[in-house]
Amino acid sequence: KAGVTQTPRYLIKTRGQQVTLSCSPISGHRSVSWYQQTPGQGLQFLFEYFSETQRNKGNFPGRFSGRQFSNSRSEMNVSTLELGDSALYLCASSLEQVMHSPLHFGNGTRLTVT
Amino acid sequence: LAKTTQPISMDSYEGQEVNITCSHNNIATNDYITWYQQFPSQGPRFIIQGYKTKVTNEVASLFIPADRKSSTLSLPRVSLSDTAVYYCLVINSGGSNYKLTFGKGTLLTVNP
Repeated sequence: KAGVTQTPRYLIKTRGQQVTLSCSPISGHRSVSWYQQTPGQGLQFLFEYFSETQRNKGNFPGRFSGRQFSNSRSEMNVSTLELGDSALYLCASSLEQVMHSPLHFGNGTRLTVT
Repeated sequence: LAKTTQPISMDSYEGQEVNITCSHNNIATNDYITWYQQFPSQGPRFIIQGYKTKVTNEVASLFIPADRKSSTLSLPRVSLSDTAVYYCLVINSGGSNYKLTFGKGTLLTVNP
């Protein structure tokens, strides 16, 4: 079974721009959640989507948003990029919602904001 | 809300058993504890999950004492390929507004 696929692997953007990241979950998984990983803050939960609905959101500003499509694929959008948004963005899929199932992570998108 | 604390790094040798402890003093009654392994340039990989006492699978064991204020991931007979960062995760499952708290990670270095 194919794992979680994230595209692109690397992105370089300029401050003020916006960016869209994509995540394809494992087939049959209904939940997709997103995380930001930085050396200083570690792994932080952004939000979870289940059955096309956002189920929960972490402590991030409204510039971070996402959506999930009917085939469970998900996108994350960051608008008005700031230098501090440079990070590894990970998505994870799970059979059921995050608190009920182990997470299966993709290899992430490395975003650099200059 | 649980705050998780792990050692920053640990060193070991091939063939040894390694125990990594995560402290989560404020864990709530319904919170689960999960451990993940992460290699450079990869996403974390699920190792094991538990709620209380002891859980064992083909790669690791998880020990959780009765007060659940800590948990210990045990890796039997480590090899060089076990060199990675290990994260504990506590999910506070209080209704729809659950919280995920990751530890900062423990870099395990296995030496030959």
